[in-house]
Amino acid sequence: EVQLVESGGGLVQPGGSLRLSCEASGFAVSTNYMSWVRQAPGKGLEWVSVIYSGGSTEFADSVKGRFTILRHSSENTLYLQMNSLRPEDTAVYYCAKHGRVSYYGARSPSWYFDSWGQGTLVTVSS
Amino acid sequence: DIQMTQSPSTLSASVGDRVTITCRASQSISNWLAWYQQKAGKAPKVLIYKASISESGVPSRFSGSGSGTEFSLTIINLQPEDFATYYCQQYKSFASFGQGTKVEIK
Repeated sequence: EVQLVESGGGLVQPGGSLRLSCEASGFAVSTNYMSWVRQAPGKGLEWVSVIYSGGSTEFADSVKGRFTILRHSSENTLYLQMNSLRPEDTAVYYCAKHGRVSYYGARSPSWYFDSWGQGTLVTVSS
Repeated sequence: DIQMTQSPSTLSASVGDRVTITCRASQSISNWLAWYQQKAGKAPKVLIYKASISESGVPSRFSGSGSGTEFSLTIINLQPEDFATYYCQQYKSFASFGQGTKVEIK
């Protein structure tokens, strides 16, 4: 059974840093696309960052240059390092596993999210 | 960036009703669209991907259709557990979500 468990959220002052963790079980983080998606209080969903199975990464413009996404294969854990935090970064952060679709008999990664963690709340405030 | 617009923002319905939520993309996304259900305090759950393919385990009363820029999610015979917020998501270019449609009890 696929399971994702986030941790590391909390209250941080503007300009501060925080590292979120997402411990995975039931599949290998290193062979799947993995993303972070956030949701500000009472608002909709916003994609934040992806790490591809090959290790390359992408970021939303709103966090580019401030956030880093990493994975630790032996611990089967995904991380989000967040620096220079701003009040507008306040949100519940979810890690999400990308789904796969069948192409000519092979299951290829896609960009919808088939499994989500329970989320961890990050509050940026003085 | 591809913008996704859902309508309506809120929908009042009764158990047993048929409801339809619409999602419009700011440019053609072919059929690279997913639908999610989110209940209060919980993570989203995928219902539909590639516009019309149901995720394993999703009840057959949920269906998706559309292509290009216009998409819809239909729920027939609405059940008490279906009252939730629904989001569409495009994945032609990274990922972006609609603002959500809350399905509430009439």
